[in-house]
Amino acid sequence: NAGVTQTPKFQVLKTGQSMTLQCAQDMNHEYMSWYRQDPGMGLRLIHYSVGAGITDQGEVPNGYNVSRSTTEDFPLRLLSAAPSQTSVYFCASSTRSGSSYEQYFGPGTRLTVT
Amino acid sequence: ILNVEQSPQSLHVQEGDSTNFTCSFPSSNFYALHWYRWETAKSPEALFVMTLNGDEKKKGRISATLNTKEGYSYLYIKGSQPEDSATYLCAFKGAGKSTFGDGTTLTVKP
Repeated sequence: NAGVTQTPKFQVLKTGQSMTLQCAQDMNHEYMSWYRQDPGMGLRLIHYSVGAGITDQGEVPNGYNVSRSTTEDFPLRLLSAAPSQTSVYFCASSTRSGSSYEQYFGPGTRLTVT
Repeated sequence: ILNVEQSPQSLHVQEGDSTNFTCSFPSSNFYALHWYRWETAKSPEALFVMTLNGDEKKKGRISATLNTKEGYSYLYIKGSQPEDSATYLCAFKGAGKSTFGDGTTLTVKP
């Protein structure tokens, strides 16, 4: 089991560029989420998915798109990068079986927008 | 936006001290309360999952309690060690998504 994997680990973008952050999990988890972490703040939810084909917005969705065509993959797209999107991005997954909903996190992607 | 608050924001203690942190959360639509430990340059890792009012969980020197009626959870560390230095996050799991607090950053000095 690789758990939750994210690529790339580091990325530098220029303002206005677009890119996709990849997230995959091999635990057959229904729930997947994208968070961003900024200095002095906890984890803020960008988008989440409760299953393939179903996505919803979190607290800070503007400037990001997601899709969930398979259970395993949940890519995050930055449409037109802005310096305010400089952050560390974490993908997480969890199962809905039982009642634990414990989340497993990927290693993170550190994004800098210049 | 759900309000999940953690206090204190940061804590500096000496090795051997015992300490505790608080997480407060909405008392309605409660599914679960999670505690995570987050070391610098790593990913958050789950410590405890708590689902029932009155739950008490323990892992070594770390324990947690849960009060869903009044909307709070305490995390206790007994005899802190330098390796306990980390940020401790709580997350409220409601319908569909989790909301994280900003964390308590613990520094244990040898």
